[in-house]
Amino acid sequence: QQQVKQSPQSLIVQKGGISIINCAYENTAFDYFPWYQQFPGKGPALLIAIRPDVSEKKEGRFTISFNKSAKQFSLHIMDSQPGDSATYFCAASPTNFGNEKLTFGTGTRLTIIP
Amino acid sequence: EPEVTQTPSHQVTQMGQEVILRCVPISNHLYFYWYRQILGQKVEFLVSFYNNEISEKSEIFDDQFSVERPDGSNFTLKIRSTKLEDSAMYFCASSVQRGAAYNEQFFGPGTRLTVL
Repeated sequence: QQQVKQSPQSLIVQKGGISIINCAYENTAFDYFPWYQQFPGKGPALLIAIRPDVSEKKEGRFTISFNKSAKQFSLHIMDSQPGDSATYFCAASPTNFGNEKLTFGTGTRLTIIP
Repeated sequence: EPEVTQTPSHQVTQMGQEVILRCVPISNHLYFYWYRQILGQKVEFLVSFYNNEISEKSEIFDDQFSVERPDGSNFTLKIRSTKLEDSAMYFCASSVQRGAAYNEQFFGPGTRLTVL
């Protein structure tokens, strides 16, 4: 019940296209859903995050769509660029007022080709 | 911009040896975490630490692991007797506010631990 399932494992998108990565969870105590971007040799960096009280959050080219009833959320990258090539992890956490234990998905290796 | 730093970047050790991984969290942060990532796998929570004590730990964090904040800036993870399966990238993270929900966790660049 603590798992976060992520798909696809890898994704190749042409420059300018839309990249879509999906995640699903089971634990209804989860109420914070961040996406992390990781470049080779670096630590994960927060990209965008959403709470379940909204169905969508957009920051620049990055959008999270959230479906509370289906317990699913997804990351959309519009106008994908070669610099977006990285591994993306979804994560989830219950609210614990500063002590959030993140449960990560298995990651998606995104490659943007020219 | 403040960042979490970790040393060393790569540690090679023999099975059964003790290792200490070091982290310097962002200076005004109050919550500290260790995660690990076995090569090609997902990032897994190990332990969280607040007010000089462990807040939560995972089943991975057994008696061979310990954490300490020996001074006002460092946060360490000790593995007493390393096993082959401890080989992984270890990430330190920190977050800031007490009493505020949804604190962003800032991750360090990681220490790659190789146990031979």
